[in-house]
Amino acid sequence: AQKVTQAQTEISVVEKEDVTLDCVYETRDTTYYLFWYKQPPSGELVFLIRRNSFDEQNEISGRYSWNFQKSTSSFNFTITASQVVDSAVYFCALSEAYSGYSTLTFGKGTMLLVSP
Amino acid sequence: KAGVTQTPRYLIKTRGQQVTLSCSPISGHRSVSWYQQTPGQGLQFLFEYFSETQRNKGNFPGRFSGRQFSNSRSEMNVSTLELGDSALYLCASSSSGQGRLREQFFGPGTRLTVL
Repeated sequence: AQKVTQAQTEISVVEKEDVTLDCVYETRDTTYYLFWYKQPPSGELVFLIRRNSFDEQNEISGRYSWNFQKSTSSFNFTITASQVVDSAVYFCALSEAYSGYSTLTFGKGTMLLVSP
Repeated sequence: KAGVTQTPRYLIKTRGQQVTLSCSPISGHRSVSWYQQTPGQGLQFLFEYFSETQRNKGNFPGRFSGRQFSNSRSEMNVSTLELGDSALYLCASSSSGQGRLREQFFGPGTRLTVL
């Protein structure tokens, strides 16, 4: 069965520090997508990034970057030069071809607190 | 384009009552998924509707049900409410068909409190 683990429950950093959020996943499917979502206090889940299982190229998008390694089933997410507005709960999620990509399996989330 | 809207935003019910939550997807989106978020269990998939048909269902008791209308709006119903049903219920809509990656856009959620 599919599973997503975010071992870090809470991370506190000071503004301008870089922070990496860890995500480990389990799936028997060979075709899948991985996502990162952000949930600010307002509650709405905001899509950040996605990666498919066939593309391990790591990219940078603004202050966000990610490191996808199939060999270790990890999909880590880094925020560079963190800002107070980055404070939120971050969720890693998995969507498999087996379910027609119609469901998301989420990790338990990592609460990020960025202080000034 | 307007985003996903959910009504009501907040709801307080008592045990044993039933509740209906509503979700209006982004215009043109035909798939609507529902998720329950609690502090203990996190975010869990409830069910997904596409073209008025339930296509996938999560591991929830039969007290949780849903439906989708011809305009893609969806409702979910919880009967015989229990204290443990207190949660944030999130709705997500997406546009593509079966077998294709469908990016899900989430609404602000309905926070249900059961007393």
